[in-house]
Parts: sequence; structure tokens; C-alpha cells
Amino acid sequence: AQKVTQAQTEISVVEKEDVTLDCVYETRDTTYYLFWYKQPPSGELVFLIRRNSFDEQNEISGRYSWNFQKSTSSFNFTITASQVVDSAVYFCALSEGGDAGNMLTFGGGTRLMVKP
Amino acid sequence: DAGVTQSPTHLIKTRGQHVTLRCSPISGHKSVSWYQQVLGQGPQFIFQYYEKEERGRGNFPDRFSARQFPNYSSELNVNALLLGDSALYLCASSLSQGPYEQYFGPGTRLTVT
Repeated sequence: AQKVTQAQTEISVVEKEDVTLDCVYETRDTTYYLFWYKQPPSGELVFLIRRNSFDEQNEISGRYSWNFQKSTSSFNFTITASQVVDSAVYFCALSEGGDAGNMLTFGGGTRLMVKP
Repeated sequence: DAGVTQSPTHLIKTRGQHVTLRCSPISGHKSVSWYQQVLGQGPQFIFQYYEKEERGRGNFPDRFSARQFPNYSSELNVNALLLGDSALYLCASSLSQGPYEQYFGPGTRLTVT
């Protein structure tokens, strides 16, 4: 069965610090997809990124970057020069596709608090 | 373009009652999924519908049911409500049934008393 673990339940940083959110996943499939979502206090989940298991290239989008390492089953998310607006709960999720359709298995989330 | 919309935004029900939650996907999206998010936890998958057919079901009791209409909107029904059904119910839409990006609506906050 697939599983996603986000060991950090809460992280607090001061504005402009860099912060890394950890995500470890378990799956028996060789083809799978990993996602990150942001949930601000308003409650709506915001899509950030989708990666497939065959693409281990790291990705950078502005202040956001993602490090995918199949050898350690990890898909970590780094925010550079954090801002107060980054305060939210961040979820890592896994989809096995195929017969599982687009079912997402979410981790428990990491609450990030960025203080001014 | 409009995003995923859900109604109502908030709902208070009594144990044993029935509730219907509604979702309209992004225009052009044919797949709708439902998730339950209990306070302090990650969302849990309930159902996926694609082309009006159920394509996936999570580990939820038969009190939970759903359907998708020809215009791809969807309803989630919950019978015989329990206190433990209190949660944020999220609807997500995607282009197709595969592992595409899913875009979530603002959710319906259900409180069962």
C-alpha cells in the first residue's frame, strides 16, 4: 500500500531564512507521481508541482525548488528566502496512476510559520 | 476562468441526518474526486468519478455515495451522519482520470452535532 510521511509537523522560521520540508514515500509501483500542495488559512489546496517517477531532475520555480531522490524515496521541498505569505500547511502526495486512477495519498502535512 | 466551486461553504447537521454536497469542476475537466479532511490531518480520498462512472473508491462506509452528472458536476451524499463525519469536504477536478494535476475547490465545512 502506498504511504506518504511528512515527519515535520510544524516548522517556524524568521523571514528570509531558507526552509526545507521533508517528504518520504512508500510504493510498490515503478510508475508513480508525486505532488506538493499548499493549504493557506483560507483552506483551499493550491497545486504547486507534479513529478513522475522517471524524472529525477530537480526543479526550480522562483523561490521554490524540489529535490527528488528515488534512492531514498524522498521528494523534498525548499523555500528560499521565506516570506510571511509562505505561512501555510504544505502537503506532499503520491498517486500510483493506472488502476488507482488519480487517487492521491496525502502525508499529514507540515505547518510552516514564517515570522516577520 | 472559474475554478472549482463547491456549495454550501458551511453546513451544520444533527447526528442521523442526511447531507448533500455539490461540486462544479473547472470547465473542460471531466474527472471529479472527493476528499475528506479532518482537522489537523491530510485529506483522505473518498471517490473519483470520470465520465459519470465511479473510477475509484477509498476506505469509507456505504453511507457515503456520490454521482456525476452529464455536465461533469458532482454530488457527494452522506447518510446517517455521525459526529466523526465532521470535516472539510474537498472536491478536486482534473482533465481526465489519470494522475493529472488536481485542482481543489474551497471545500464545504460540515459540522455534525
